[in-house]
Amino acid sequence: GAGVSQSPSNKVTEKGKDVELRCDPISGHTALYWYRQRLGQGLEFLIYFQGNSAPDKSGLPSDRFSAERTGESVSTLTIQRTQQEDSAVYLCASSPPSGRAAGFGPGTRLTVL
Amino acid sequence: RKEVEQDPGPFNVPEGATVAFNCTYSNSASQSFFWYRQDCRKEPKLLMSVYSSGNEDGRFTAQLNRASQYISLLIRDSKLSDSATYLCVVNIGNAGNMLTFGGGTRLMVKP
Repeated sequence: GAGVSQSPSNKVTEKGKDVELRCDPISGHTALYWYRQRLGQGLEFLIYFQGNSAPDKSGLPSDRFSAERTGESVSTLTIQRTQQEDSAVYLCASSPPSGRAAGFGPGTRLTVL
Repeated sequence: RKEVEQDPGPFNVPEGATVAFNCTYSNSASQSFFWYRQDCRKEPKLLMSVYSSGNEDGRFTAQLNRASQYISLLIRDSKLSDSATYLCVVNIGNAGNMLTFGGGTRLMVKP
């Protein structure tokens, strides 16, 4: 079946602009995660959605970052007033109920000039 | 203390060697455990789930030690293609069944 998809695959933007990244989870997956991965670094947790529960936003690095998800469908991650240190690959993952294994999307590579 | 901890490595081993990684987790209520593999500039992919009784998939063996709160991954007869970062993933057992990722262990298999 279809896996997790993300768009765009690459995004180049100028410092100070806002960007919106999209994630389409696997159908039926109630949980959705956003991670950031800087070059040569590990995964950095950003936010976790589980069904209709309040999201766990504890990983968002600043108030310039926000994410939305409607029900169990698409999620968008928005970064306002981008900074050069926001340059990274943003990965989305989704998993079924009960904490089973997650599948990852291919990521969005963000470059802030 | 981090919820899921791994030795970042790198582990440099020759082809054909056997190598093992451990991963410790802090929450004794953790319920599900997984190993993922991440190749350079790629997304992580599920390598194997870790069951209480241990499980084996070809050259790969995963073990769970609940008493000491760690999981392990053993790779026998290492291949050059095994070079990657191996991520330990734990369902930390909170109300939302959230999966928590370790920082990864980098493996380099040399000819």
